[in-house]
Amino acid sequence: EIVLTQSPATLSVSPGERATLSCRASQSISKYLAWYQQKPGQAPRLLFYDASNRATGIPARFSASGSGTDFALTISSLEPEDFAVYYCQQRSIWPLTFGGGTNVETK
Amino acid sequence: QEQLVESGGGVVQAGGSLRLSCEASRFTFSIFGMHWVRQVVGKGLEWVAFIRGGDGREEKYADSVEGRFAISRDNSKNTLFLGMNGLRSEDTGVYYCVKGAGSDSGRDYAASWGQGALVTVSS
Repeated sequence: EIVLTQSPATLSVSPGERATLSCRASQSISKYLAWYQQKPGQAPRLLFYDASNRATGIPARFSASGSGTDFALTISSLEPEDFAVYYCQQRSIWPLTFGGGTNVETK
Repeated sequence: QEQLVESGGGVVQAGGSLRLSCEASRFTFSIFGMHWVRQVVGKGLEWVAFIRGGDGREEKYADSVEGRFAISRDNSKNTLFLGMNGLRSEDTGVYYCVKGAGSDSGRDYAASWGQGALVTVSS
């Protein structure tokens, strides 16, 4: 099983600041990584797939990169609606696995 | 916009059974692989099961539910199911019905999610 480790667990930032979230895989997963955003009381929403492809309707302030074992999600200038929990997920091998999440909270 | 609506959640005693349903609309349900993903309240996400699109002959399960849970689909009714037997306290959580993004392998991303169904297993 591929273990995805997200860091930090909690990121405290102010609106307008830049946020960078990390996801590290226990073995190479090539480009097969997605990022999701989850707000309280809601289901997750797909942000990026195949490491860097933005899903439909995702604002340009979000970007993602990486390959192999190291991946990153960057929010260039945080808007109030961006404070949420972010998860990464791999589809390289079964079972599909998720990272433990990064909670982006208001500083 | 694609829609997935789960039903069938509730409270069940340990060792009991439950069946979740997920009614899909606004997309061609029959051709897409479908998944169940669960989340302990306040915790992270865990993939549970997958069924291939079309005849649904390929299924995959997380080790934690293998042999106890069964995923199935009825394409004529655009509905996905998750049968759960031998329920344990650690199965408590919100169960999401998820539409795959369309990967041929079935190993896929979660393109659309339902609102979730809460399953509580009491001991």
